[in-house]
Amino acid sequence: DIQLTQSPSFLSASVGDRVTITCRASQGISSYLAWYQQKPGKAPKLLIYAASTLQSGVPSRFSGSGSGTEFTLTISSLQPEDFATYYCHQLNSYPFTFGPGTKVDIK
Amino acid sequence: EVQLVESGGGLVQPGGSLKLSCAASGFTFSDSAMHWVRQASGKGLEWVGRIRSKADNYETAYAASLKGRFTISRDDSKNTAYLQMNSLKTEDTAVYYCTSGWYSDYWGQGTLVTVSS
Repeated sequence: DIQLTQSPSFLSASVGDRVTITCRASQGISSYLAWYQQKPGKAPKLLIYAASTLQSGVPSRFSGSGSGTEFTLTISSLQPEDFATYYCHQLNSYPFTFGPGTKVDIK
Repeated sequence: EVQLVESGGGLVQPGGSLKLSCAASGFTFSDSAMHWVRQASGKGLEWVGRIRSKADNYETAYAASLKGRFTISRDDSKNTAYLQMNSLKTEDTAVYYCTSGWYSDYWGQGTLVTVSS
């Protein structure tokens, strides 16, 4: 199975900060990676797919990059509604897997 | 508007079975892959499995950890996907989400499955 690791596991940031989350795959997954945002008690929401394509309706402050084994999710200017947990997800090969998540909290 | 509504969750004893349903609307269900994802309380997301469309021969795939206990199916005439869960264990307790699209573009609200004696 392809393992995904995320760093950091937790980060504390302020409104307006630039935030970067890294996702690393145990083997190459081309660009078959997605990023999701989940708020407490809610279903996850797709932010980025194919590593760098912004899902329709998602604010442009979110961006994704990377290919192969290393990927990043960047929030250019953190907004109050962005405090949540973020997950990466590989869909390159079965079984598909999720990263363990990164919780973004208010400093 | 895309809507996915899961149902069928509840309390079941270890070793029992349960069948979840996911009713879809707002998109061409028959053309879409459907996934199931679960989340235990306070934990991360776990991919359960996927069923592809008729065009892809209804191919299915599952998480290895399930060891053949779960089966995903679909009825395109009813715009509904299913998750049959057998030989349930306490560690299967979770909220189960169905999702649509190759990249799980849309998610339902989830249904809680509790496996306990």
